[in-house]
Amino acid sequence: LAKTTQPISMDSYEGQEVNITCSHNNIATNDYITWYQQFPSQGPRFIIQGYKTKVTNEVASLFIPADRKSSTLSLPRVSLSDTAVYYCLVGLGGATNKLIFGTGTLLAVQP
Amino acid sequence: GAVVSQHPSRVICKSGTSVKIECRSLDFQATTMFWYRQFPKKSLMLMATSNEGSKATYEQGVEKDKFLINHASLTLSTLTVTSAHPEDSSFYICSARLPGQGLGEQYFGPGTRLTVT
Repeated sequence: LAKTTQPISMDSYEGQEVNITCSHNNIATNDYITWYQQFPSQGPRFIIQGYKTKVTNEVASLFIPADRKSSTLSLPRVSLSDTAVYYCLVGLGGATNKLIFGTGTLLAVQP
Repeated sequence: GAVVSQHPSRVICKSGTSVKIECRSLDFQATTMFWYRQFPKKSLMLMATSNEGSKATYEQGVEKDKFLINHASLTLSTLTVTSAHPEDSSFYICSARLPGQGLGEQYFGPGTRLTVT
């Protein structure tokens, strides 16, 4: 399973756009990229998943360059309630359907 | 969306006793469920994959005789921490995948906080 590298923490202010980048140099051809959000003392929540280019849903956008060795989660106009840990995962498109979590990025949104 | 519940949400037990944690998929059937453990300020660590009607698959380093997993129905998986010790105190989370959905879309339970005294 491909290893991921994310910043340990990020700070932002309400109303700003936040971009969290994840590196996954060893991503395999059939791997997807998935992001989860976790609040303290809660289970993670699925945010978005993509394979290449750009994916957008009502919560976020996911940008994936052509080489797929990195991806960027974009959160538009964050609010205080977006303060959470964000995990980037890859390696889900093959025979295994296990989720292996990396360290995640703690996003702190301030007023 | 799909809902996964866990019971209890919080449990305190004495060292040496066993504790059972239930994970239920409320509105869908899950042939596969996953169990994670999370220590404070750490990431989730996959413990095992629970398969309905068969033995669970444990990750390397996880003692299968200490963490007993039973997946007796398509909506229920249980994790029993046997002979619990203070170092087993942690946040235990289960997840399940919707049949036919993308592999990355797993639904997580709210977690169970285990404290062993």
